[in-house]
Amino acid sequence: KAGVTQTPRYLIKTRGQQVTLSCSPISGHRSVSWYQQTPGQGLQFLFEYFSETQRNKGNFPGRFSGRQFSNSRSEMNVSTLELGDSALYLCASSSPGLAGVYNEQFFGPGTRLTVL
Amino acid sequence: EDKVVQSPLSLVVHEGDTVTLNCSYEVTNFRSLLWYKQEKKAPTFLFMLTSSGIEKKSGRLSSILDKKELFSILNITATQTGDSAVYLCAVFNTNAGKSTFGDGTTLTVKP
Repeated sequence: KAGVTQTPRYLIKTRGQQVTLSCSPISGHRSVSWYQQTPGQGLQFLFEYFSETQRNKGNFPGRFSGRQFSNSRSEMNVSTLELGDSALYLCASSSPGLAGVYNEQFFGPGTRLTVL
Repeated sequence: EDKVVQSPLSLVVHEGDTVTLNCSYEVTNFRSLLWYKQEKKAPTFLFMLTSSGIEKKSGRLSSILDKKELFSILNITATQTGDSAVYLCAVFNTNAGKSTFGDGTTLTVKP
């Protein structure tokens, strides 16, 4: 079974630009979560999508948005990039089990975003 | 606000040593506690714990959860240099559908 894939793996942008990152979950997984990882803040939850609906959102500004498609693939968009947005962006997929019990999340390799 | 605290933040040991990593948490609607290993890439899953007192084992690694005292430990016996990594603990909030991560423990195993 193929793992979670993320594209692109590396990205360099300048302040003020916008960026779109893509995540393809493990086949059959319908939940996709996005995380930002920085040395100073650790792994922080951005949002989670399930069946094309955003169900949960972390404490990030509205410049961070996402969506999920009918095939469960997800995209994350960051507009008006700031220097502090430089980070590793990780996506994770999971498959809710019986009675709403969530199974473990499997992470993709991440997209390393550098904002200059 | 869900919270996960890991200790120690970093640890340096020699091959063959046994280490214990700690994770304490405060979370509403607790569903599970997860341990991940992160080298220079994305975290890889180690264990998921949902019930108190039941030890999970995988080779030299083992973990146990105490839901009454709200903590978990990850043990690594006979450490090897390949165990050098950041070990992350996360708790899954079933209502929020998200994992809250600790800051991780950086383990360095010297030959």
